Amino acid sequence: GQSLEQPSEVTAVEGAIVQINCTYQTSGFYGLSWYQQHDGGAPTFLSYNALDGLEETGRFSSFLSRSDSYGYLLLQELQMKDSASYFCAAMNSGYSTLTFGKGTMLLVSP
Amino acid sequence: GAVVSQHPSWVICKSGTSVKIECRSLDFQATTMFWYRQFPKQSLMLMATSNEGSKATYEQGVEKDKFLINHASLTLSTLTVTSAHPEDSSFYICSARDLEREAGELFFGEGSRLTVL
Repeated sequence: GQSLEQPSEVTAVEGAIVQINCTYQTSGFYGLSWYQQHDGGAPTFLSYNALDGLEETGRFSSFLSRSDSYGYLLLQELQMKDSASYFCAAMNSGYSTLTFGKGTMLLVSP
Repeated sequence: GAVVSQHPSWVICKSGTSVKIECRSLDFQATTMFWYRQFPKQSLMLMATSNEGSKATYEQGVEKDKFLINHASLTLSTLTVTSAHPEDSSFYICSARDLEREAGELFFGEGSRLTVL
């Protein structure tokens, strides 16, 4: 099975930088994904790391360290619209399924 | 990008009735779709993996006779909640993977919020 740990809530102000950490314990780990979900909406894909290192996509970056079973999502130049829940999710190579963490609620204030 | 459509978005039903939720991949073929359930302020819990032309694979603790899944074509999977009860009230979300995209990228439907009275 797989379990992922991430902080339940993070607060920040507009323009700031926030890092959301995710640690995982898995069997058959294949890669780590990040999803954003606004209240009442569907999750949307942000990034995926199969290899160690940093992936950058605009204001968002994601990092993975397989040796540490650890990853993070970095959000830069925060905007109010970034207030949402962010989920890390581990890909299971055996079943090709994604197991989601409990989610981190990000609150961005003016 | 790939689009997954889910219907209905909202459904209210009486206890004991059955409800069918449809999930369609609009611009790609999905041999595999996934059904998740999400309670308020909680994570997405995988219920089952829907496989086109074969039986679904259910996660531990999910009753296959209560949550019937049919994946009759490469673009449509359905979830039927049978004999629904108030505790089945939840947000049900389907997702699919476009094989031409990254392995870790799932496309989600808009979700179906079920309320059982």
